[in-house]
Amino acid sequence: AAGVIQSPRHLIKEKRETATLKCYPIPRHDTVYWYQQGPGQDPQFLISFYEKMQSDKGSIPDRFSAQQFSDYHSELNMSSLELGDSALYFCASSVRDWGFNEQFFGPGTRLTVL
Amino acid sequence: GQQVMQIPQYQHVQEGEDFTTYCNSSTTLSNIQWYKQRPGGHPVFLIQLVKSGEVKKQKRLTFQFGEAKKNSSLHITATQTTDVGTYFCAGDSGSARQLTFGSGTQLTVLP
Repeated sequence: AAGVIQSPRHLIKEKRETATLKCYPIPRHDTVYWYQQGPGQDPQFLISFYEKMQSDKGSIPDRFSAQQFSDYHSELNMSSLELGDSALYFCASSVRDWGFNEQFFGPGTRLTVL
Repeated sequence: GQQVMQIPQYQHVQEGEDFTTYCNSSTTLSNIQWYKQRPGGHPVFLIQLVKSGEVKKQKRLTFQFGEAKKNSSLHITATQTTDVGTYFCAGDSGSARQLTFGSGTQLTVLP
């Protein structure tokens, strides 16, 4: 069965650089979520999209932006990177079914900021 | 904002022993979900509880949702080494349709 695809799997950047993370949700899933997970931490919700429109916003820094494209893939753009941005970034997708929203997580992108 | 607390943070058990993790939300939840994350892996959905007082079982795993829909627990009977990982509860308040994860319980099973 198709799963959520994320690219790249690993990314190394310098401080103040920019990074773009990509997510390809499971086909026919209409909602995409982005999470940030620091070492030993729980996943922190950043932002979500439903049918290509921003749905909810969590603790996403102003330096970050995201969008969902017509083919439903999503990109998380991160600018002016800081050391504290080093983390695992997960994308998840689901079908918006009121009362049930099991989220399927991708393998994550490990971002290291030097 | 909504907060979800989870205890214990770490749990070491001998293989064959039971294990329980507890989750408590600061607000009433629409539903609660449980995820398991293996070391180096990604969260994998285990179950969703929706009804007040709901109890669901998956083989050796028993999930409960409190009557007030603010707390939940996961109990594993007779742990196996394959149960190793971090178990997260995740609360959905319903209004924002975003999950607030608990801090997780990292389970180590000693052979």
